[in-house]
Amino acid sequence: KAGVTQTPRYLIKTRGQQVTLSCSPISGHRSVSWYQQTPGQGLQFLFEYFSETQRNKGNFPGRFSGRQFSNSRSEMNVSTLELGDSALYLCASSQGWGNEQFFGPGTRLTVL
Amino acid sequence: DQQVKQNSPSLSVQEGRISILNCDYTNSMFDYFLWYKKYPAEGPTFLISISSIKDKNEDGRFTVFLNKSAKHLSLHIVPSQPGDSAVYFCAASGDRKTSYDKVIFGPGTSLSVIP
Repeated sequence: KAGVTQTPRYLIKTRGQQVTLSCSPISGHRSVSWYQQTPGQGLQFLFEYFSETQRNKGNFPGRFSGRQFSNSRSEMNVSTLELGDSALYLCASSQGWGNEQFFGPGTRLTVL
Repeated sequence: DQQVKQNSPSLSVQEGRISILNCDYTNSMFDYFLWYKKYPAEGPTFLISISSIKDKNEDGRFTVFLNKSAKHLSLHIVPSQPGDSAVYFCAASGDRKTSYDKVIFGPGTSLSVIP
Protein backbone atom coordinates (compact mmCIF):
# COMPACT_ATOMS: atom_id res chain seq x y z
CA LYS A 1 0.00 0.00 0.00
CA ALA A 2 1.44 3.39 -0.99
CA GLY A 3 2.19 5.83 1.81
CA VAL A 4 1.17 9.44 2.21
CA THR A 5 2.62 11.61 -0.52
CA GLN A 6 3.12 15.35 -0.47
CA THR A 7 3.99 17.67 -3.31
CA PRO A 8 6.08 19.61 -3.81
CA ARG A 9 8.85 18.56 -1.42
CA TYR A 10 10.55 21.93 -1.47
CA LEU A 11 9.24 25.38 -2.24
CA ILE A 12 10.73 28.87 -2.19
CA LYS A 13 8.42 31.87 -2.24
CA THR A 14 8.65 35.55 -1.47
CA ARG A 15 6.65 37.58 1.03
CA GLY A 16 3.16 38.43 -0.12
CA GLN A 17 2.84 35.49 -2.48
CA GLN A 18 0.49 32.58 -1.96
CA VAL A 19 1.21 28.87 -2.01
CA THR A 20 -0.75 25.65 -2.40
CA LEU A 21 0.52 22.36 -0.99
CA SER A 22 -0.92 18.99 -1.89
CA CYS A 23 -1.36 15.77 0.07
CA SER A 24 -2.51 12.34 -1.10
CA PRO A 25 -3.50 10.09 1.83
CA ILE A 26 -3.18 6.36 2.11
CA SER A 27 -5.88 4.63 0.14
CA GLY A 28 -8.96 4.12 2.30
CA HIS A 29 -8.04 6.82 4.82
CA ARG A 30 -10.67 9.51 5.05
CA SER A 31 -9.07 11.77 7.65
CA VAL A 32 -6.32 14.16 6.61
CA SER A 33 -4.59 16.50 9.04
CA TRP A 34 -2.08 19.25 8.42
CA TYR A 35 0.69 20.34 10.77
CA GLN A 36 3.33 23.03 10.78
CA GLN A 37 6.71 22.14 12.23
CA THR A 38 9.18 24.81 13.23
CA PRO A 39 12.31 24.41 15.39
CA GLY A 40 11.42 24.33 19.07
CA GLN A 41 7.66 24.41 18.46
CA GLY A 42 7.06 20.82 17.59
CA LEU A 43 4.11 20.02 15.38
CA GLN A 44 1.44 22.69 15.46
CA PHE A 45 -1.98 21.47 14.37
CA LEU A 46 -3.47 23.41 11.46
CA PHE A 47 -6.68 21.59 10.56
CA GLU A 48 -8.24 18.23 9.92
CA TYR A 49 -10.57 17.16 7.16
CA PHE A 50 -12.82 14.16 7.07
CA SER A 51 -15.04 13.32 4.11
CA GLU A 52 -14.49 16.77 2.57
CA THR A 53 -15.50 18.58 5.77
CA GLN A 54 -13.21 20.50 8.09
CA ARG A 55 -13.79 18.93 11.49
CA ASN A 56 -11.09 20.60 13.53
CA LYS A 57 -9.04 23.76 13.27
CA GLY A 58 -5.96 24.93 15.11
CA ASN A 59 -5.03 28.45 16.15
CA PHE A 60 -3.74 29.78 12.87
CA PRO A 61 -4.83 32.96 11.07
CA GLY A 62 -7.32 32.89 8.23
CA ARG A 63 -4.46 33.10 5.72
CA PHE A 64 -4.16 29.36 6.23
CA SER A 65 -6.93 27.40 4.59
CA GLY A 66 -7.48 23.96 3.22
CA ARG A 67 -9.88 21.67 1.47
CA GLN A 68 -10.42 18.01 0.80
CA PHE A 69 -11.67 16.44 -2.38
CA SER A 70 -14.00 13.49 -2.85
CA ASN A 71 -11.02 11.17 -3.35
CA SER A 72 -9.69 12.30 0.09
CA ARG A 73 -6.79 14.20 -1.44
CA SER A 74 -6.25 17.47 0.38
CA GLU A 75 -4.74 20.82 -0.38
CA MET A 76 -3.51 23.52 1.95
CA ASN A 77 -3.28 27.15 0.90
CA VAL A 78 -1.39 29.97 2.53
CA SER A 79 -2.04 33.46 1.23
CA THR A 80 -0.03 36.64 1.73
CA LEU A 81 3.05 34.72 2.87
CA GLU A 82 5.11 36.05 5.76
CA LEU A 83 8.71 35.24 6.69
CA GLY A 84 7.43 33.38 9.75
CA ASP A 85 5.55 30.94 7.56
CA SER A 86 8.85 29.28 6.67
CA ALA A 87 8.48 25.78 8.06
CA LEU A 88 8.03 22.12 7.30
CA TYR A 89 4.40 21.40 6.53
CA LEU A 90 3.35 17.85 7.28
CA CYS A 91 0.26 16.02 6.19
CA ALA A 92 -1.00 12.94 8.00
CA SER A 93 -3.77 10.53 7.17
CA SER A 94 -5.67 8.10 9.32
CA GLN A 95 -8.84 6.08 9.34
CA GLY A 96 -10.26 8.46 11.93
CA TRP A 97 -9.50 10.30 15.10
CA GLY A 98 -7.79 8.43 17.87
CA ASN A 99 -6.17 6.13 15.38
CA GLU A 100 -2.55 6.08 14.42
CA GLN A 101 -1.65 8.78 11.92
CA PHE A 102 0.62 8.15 8.97
CA PHE A 103 2.72 11.11 7.97
CA GLY A 104 4.02 12.17 4.61
CA PRO A 105 7.60 13.41 4.18
CA GLY A 106 6.52 17.04 4.35
CA THR A 107 6.90 20.12 2.20
CA ARG A 108 9.73 22.44 3.18
CA LEU A 109 8.51 26.00 2.54
CA THR A 110 10.99 28.86 2.60
CA VAL A 111 9.69 32.41 2.45
CA LEU A 112 12.24 35.05 1.44
CA ASP B 1 -0.11 27.59 26.55
CA GLN B 2 1.34 24.20 25.63
CA GLN B 3 -0.99 21.36 26.56
CA VAL B 4 1.66 18.72 25.90
CA LYS B 5 5.12 19.39 27.24
CA GLN B 6 8.43 17.68 26.71
CA ASN B 7 10.76 19.58 28.97
CA SER B 8 13.99 17.99 27.77
CA PRO B 9 14.87 19.28 24.29
CA SER B 10 17.68 16.75 24.02
CA LEU B 11 18.98 13.56 25.62
CA SER B 12 22.21 11.58 25.17
CA VAL B 13 22.45 7.93 26.15
CA GLN B 14 25.13 5.29 25.78
CA GLU B 15 24.34 2.38 23.48
CA GLY B 16 22.88 -0.55 25.41
CA ARG B 17 21.60 1.61 28.27
CA ILE B 18 18.01 2.71 28.93
CA SER B 19 16.59 5.85 27.33
CA ILE B 20 13.77 7.54 29.23
CA LEU B 21 11.81 10.27 27.48
CA ASN B 22 9.28 12.20 29.50
CA CYS B 23 6.08 13.96 28.61
CA ASP B 24 3.59 15.97 30.71
CA TYR B 25 0.14 17.13 29.77
CA THR B 26 -2.26 19.63 31.27
CA ASN B 27 -5.64 18.69 29.79
CA SER B 28 -7.37 16.05 31.88
CA MET B 29 -9.70 15.30 28.93
CA PHE B 30 -6.87 13.65 27.02
CA ASP B 31 -7.33 9.92 27.13
CA TYR B 32 -5.17 8.56 24.33
CA PHE B 33 -1.45 9.10 24.04
CA LEU B 34 1.00 8.35 21.27
CA TRP B 35 4.71 8.51 20.65
CA TYR B 36 6.16 9.26 17.23
CA LYS B 37 9.74 9.12 16.05
CA LYS B 38 11.11 11.46 13.40
CA TYR B 39 14.31 11.20 11.40
CA PRO B 40 15.62 14.25 9.50
CA ALA B 41 13.97 14.83 6.11
CA GLU B 42 11.22 12.31 6.90
CA GLY B 43 7.74 12.60 8.37
CA PRO B 44 7.11 11.28 11.90
CA THR B 45 6.36 7.58 12.22
CA PHE B 46 4.14 6.04 14.82
CA LEU B 47 5.96 4.17 17.58
CA ILE B 48 3.59 3.17 20.36
CA SER B 49 0.39 4.33 22.00
CA ILE B 50 -1.47 3.93 25.26
CA SER B 51 -5.07 4.41 26.28
CA SER B 52 -5.95 6.02 29.59
CA ILE B 53 -7.47 2.76 30.82
CA LYS B 54 -3.97 1.30 30.96
CA ASP B 55 -0.85 2.34 32.82
CA LYS B 56 1.66 0.45 30.72
CA ASN B 57 2.02 -0.73 27.14
CA GLU B 58 4.97 -2.65 25.81
CA ASP B 59 6.16 -3.35 22.28
CA GLY B 60 9.55 -4.98 21.99
CA ARG B 61 12.21 -2.59 23.25
CA PHE B 62 9.67 0.21 23.72
CA THR B 63 7.49 0.63 26.80
CA VAL B 64 5.21 3.54 27.56
CA PHE B 65 4.10 4.26 31.13
CA LEU B 66 1.14 6.46 31.98
CA ASN B 67 0.54 8.12 35.35
CA LYS B 68 -2.87 9.75 35.04
CA SER B 69 -2.87 11.35 38.48
CA ALA B 70 0.39 13.12 37.67
CA LYS B 71 -0.61 13.73 34.04
CA HIS B 72 2.71 12.26 33.05
CA LEU B 73 3.87 9.64 30.61
CA SER B 74 7.25 8.29 29.73
CA LEU B 75 8.77 6.24 26.95
CA HIS B 76 11.45 3.72 27.87
CA ILE B 77 13.77 2.27 25.25
CA VAL B 78 15.78 -0.74 26.39
CA PRO B 79 18.41 -1.39 25.19
CA SER B 80 19.08 1.80 23.28
CA GLN B 81 20.62 1.45 19.84
CA PRO B 82 22.32 4.03 17.59
CA GLY B 83 19.43 3.70 15.12
CA ASP B 84 17.14 5.06 17.83
CA SER B 85 18.77 8.48 17.45
CA ALA B 86 15.89 10.70 16.32
CA VAL B 87 13.43 13.29 17.56
CA TYR B 88 10.64 11.79 19.64
CA PHE B 89 7.27 13.49 19.83
CA CYS B 90 4.69 12.83 22.49
CA ALA B 91 1.09 13.37 21.37
CA ALA B 92 -2.28 13.34 23.07
CA SER B 93 -5.88 13.26 21.97
CA GLY B 94 -9.31 13.06 23.52
CA ASP B 95 -12.17 10.67 23.06
CA ARG B 96 -14.07 11.26 19.85
CA LYS B 97 -17.27 11.62 21.85
CA THR B 98 -15.96 14.80 23.42
CA SER B 99 -14.91 18.05 21.84
CA TYR B 100 -11.27 17.46 22.71
CA ASP B 101 -10.51 15.33 19.71
CA LYS B 102 -7.55 17.14 18.22
CA VAL B 103 -4.19 15.44 18.35
CA ILE B 104 -1.83 17.76 20.18
CA PHE B 105 1.91 17.23 19.84
CA GLY B 106 4.67 18.17 22.22
CA PRO B 107 7.77 20.05 21.03
CA GLY B 108 9.86 16.90 20.80
CA THR B 109 12.99 15.51 22.44
CA SER B 110 16.09 14.83 20.35
CA LEU B 111 17.64 11.53 21.43
CA SER B 112 21.26 10.72 20.62
CA VAL B 113 22.45 7.19 21.27
CA ILE B 114 26.22 7.12 21.46
CA PRO B 115 27.95 3.94 20.22
